[in-house]
Amino acid sequence: GQQLNQSPQSMFIQEGEDVSMNCTSSSIFNTWLWYKQDPGEGPVLLIALYKAGELTSNGRLTAQFGITRKDSFLNISASIPSDVGIYFCAGSNAGNNRKLIWGLGTSLGVNP
Amino acid sequence: ETGVTQSPTHLIKTRGQQVTLRCSSQSGHNTVSWYQQALGQGPQFIFQYYREEENGRGNFPPRFSGLQFPNYSSELNVNALELDDSALYLCASSPLPREFTEAFFGQGTRLTVV
Repeated sequence: GQQLNQSPQSMFIQEGEDVSMNCTSSSIFNTWLWYKQDPGEGPVLLIALYKAGELTSNGRLTAQFGITRKDSFLNISASIPSDVGIYFCAGSNAGNNRKLIWGLGTSLGVNP
Repeated sequence: ETGVTQSPTHLIKTRGQQVTLRCSSQSGHNTVSWYQQALGQGPQFIFQYYREEENGRGNFPPRFSGLQFPNYSSELNVNALELDDSALYLCASSPLPREFTEAFFGQGTRLTVV
């Protein structure tokens, strides 16, 4: 099935560092979502974006909906050990009215 | 805790068998979506149920079928299991079909087909 291009695939950083990850699509989306999934758990929604150019924050997390509507990025500032997990982007457009298309995930490790 | 519960949490089946997975939706939610997440992959949309009717389907064969009950809980049935069906199966409930920001996932059922 279709999946979005998400990068990097994995990263390992020091506590306190900032981290950035992005997601690209070959098609236009009108909704971008960012999720975090911990081992043995379902994904948890972090940020939702609905308009091209939109920049939204949730605590130390900031995400942007790309102007072309084909990309999005997520930044995490001042990382802490509990940020460890897999981060997924997901998109939806009018043509896929009821389903989300997901990225392959970015695995984040934080060294205390 | 999201209020969405899935059972069982783990399951081992033999190729060719049939399996039924269950999902209890959050109170007040009438929509359930099912996803398959293979190891190292993102979730793939299987189908969605809204008010007891199938309301959209992804690229999965007919041996993947589902039900939604009057209390909005849901089942995912897979017939003639194949090795590639081994995955984490997630359900998500939401108050409406496109209410992604109010959709909550269960912890998943880990299915292993041997």
